[in-house]
Amino acid sequence: AQSVTQLDSQVPVFEEAPVELRCNYSSSVSVYLFWYVQYPNQGLQLLLKYLSGSTLVKGINGFEAEFNKSQTSFHLRKPSVHISDTAEYFCAVSVTGYALNFGKGTSLLVTP
Amino acid sequence: DAGVIQSPRHEVTEMGQEVTLRCKPISGHNSLFWYRQTMMRGLELLIYFNNNVPIDDSGMPEDRFSAKMPNASFSTLKIQPSEPRDSAVYFCASLVEDFSSTDTQYFGPGTRLTVL
Repeated sequence: AQSVTQLDSQVPVFEEAPVELRCNYSSSVSVYLFWYVQYPNQGLQLLLKYLSGSTLVKGINGFEAEFNKSQTSFHLRKPSVHISDTAEYFCAVSVTGYALNFGKGTSLLVTP
Repeated sequence: DAGVIQSPRHEVTEMGQEVTLRCKPISGHNSLFWYRQTMMRGLELLIYFNNNVPIDDSGMPEDRFSAKMPNASFSTLKIQPSEPRDSAVYFCASLVEDFSSTDTQYFGPGTRLTVL
């Protein structure tokens, strides 16, 4: 079975600073990897996904993630965050591409 | 497109009562998922339908939970009898499952269930 560990439950950061949200996965087979964002009182929205090919994946809202097979990681980055990026971020792994196993989430809090 | 529609958005009920959560997937999507989100356990996949057929229900907690998808545009998740530990936010998601590609799951806004 595959699983995901999000290493930080909360990440506070100042506006316009860079941020990295960490995600490690465990699987004995090839996987697909996803990052979703959840704004308060809303459903989840896909930020980006890695299926194959280039290990650097660019998503919406200026986010990007890098797939590192040797370190089994899929960290999410943004060079300069905005107040509006305050949300819960979920990393997810899938073998099939549709049935997702989510991490516990990382709460990103951006302050002025 | 209206997106995935869930109703009700909030439900408060008493222990022992029957609860029915509803979901309307995006038109044309052939796969539907029910998730439960709690602080303790995070997001858990409860059940997954493809072309209205349950494919994987291994995440359904126990017999008190049941899910149906009578047609491509409607699904229900029923809890009978409900217990306080069922309090959570329940999400429905849908996608177009195509063996040639991996589509994105689109999530509904969720139903916040409180069982007193």
